Amino acid sequence: GDSVTQMEGPVTLSEEACLTINCTYTATGYPSLFWYVQYPGEGLQLLLKATKADDKGSNKGFEATYRKETTSFHLEKGSVQVSDSAVYFCALLVNTGNQFYFGTGTSLTVIP
Amino acid sequence: DGGITQSPKYLFRKEGQNVTLSCEQNLNHDAMYWYRQDPGQGLRLIYYSQIVNDFQKGDIAEGYSVSREKKESFPLTVTSAQKNPTAFYLCASSIAVYDEQYFGPGTRLTVT
Repeated sequence: GDSVTQMEGPVTLSEEACLTINCTYTATGYPSLFWYVQYPGEGLQLLLKATKADDKGSNKGFEATYRKETTSFHLEKGSVQVSDSAVYFCALLVNTGNQFYFGTGTSLTVIP
Repeated sequence: DGGITQSPKYLFRKEGQNVTLSCEQNLNHDAMYWYRQDPGQGLRLIYYSQIVNDFQKGDIAEGYSVSREKKESFPLTVTSAQKNPTAFYLCASSIAVYDEQYFGPGTRLTVT
């Protein structure tokens, strides 16, 4: 069935380090892919999205490229800040299923 | 400001009591959703509604009930039949079921 798998955390980085959070998916048809971010005690916010193969989503210095050949949508940032500390969720939307599929979330802590 | 509101932010109940969580949106979205979030398990879909007076069970609907009498409102009742109700509950909405979802700030329910 349709699903999303993302790397387990927690991830701890020093400020200005590079970040990669892996996300791979299994889906029928042509899904849309998303990254959401959840700050402590809050709901989820959409960070970026891509709706077709080779699309690159970007926002706030974060990027992710929809790669159909490797069924991946890895989240990257070149230089993280303390304010990026949050839980990041990869998500998949398949038109045939009327449903979002969320990964289990990856907790990121950035230390000064 | 358009958005989704959930109230209250924290809710405490005794075991055996039903409790209703509020979710209101002024985004003019047709679709609304309820998720449950437990530590380390990501998000699980409880119920969703595509339009007024319609709703469908998600993956973990047992022990929960919903109504959708108005486009703006999608309250969730956690009944005494829900065996483990303590969790963080997130409401979301989207223009239609095939679109990205926008989340409210969440309600943390504690049942003792």
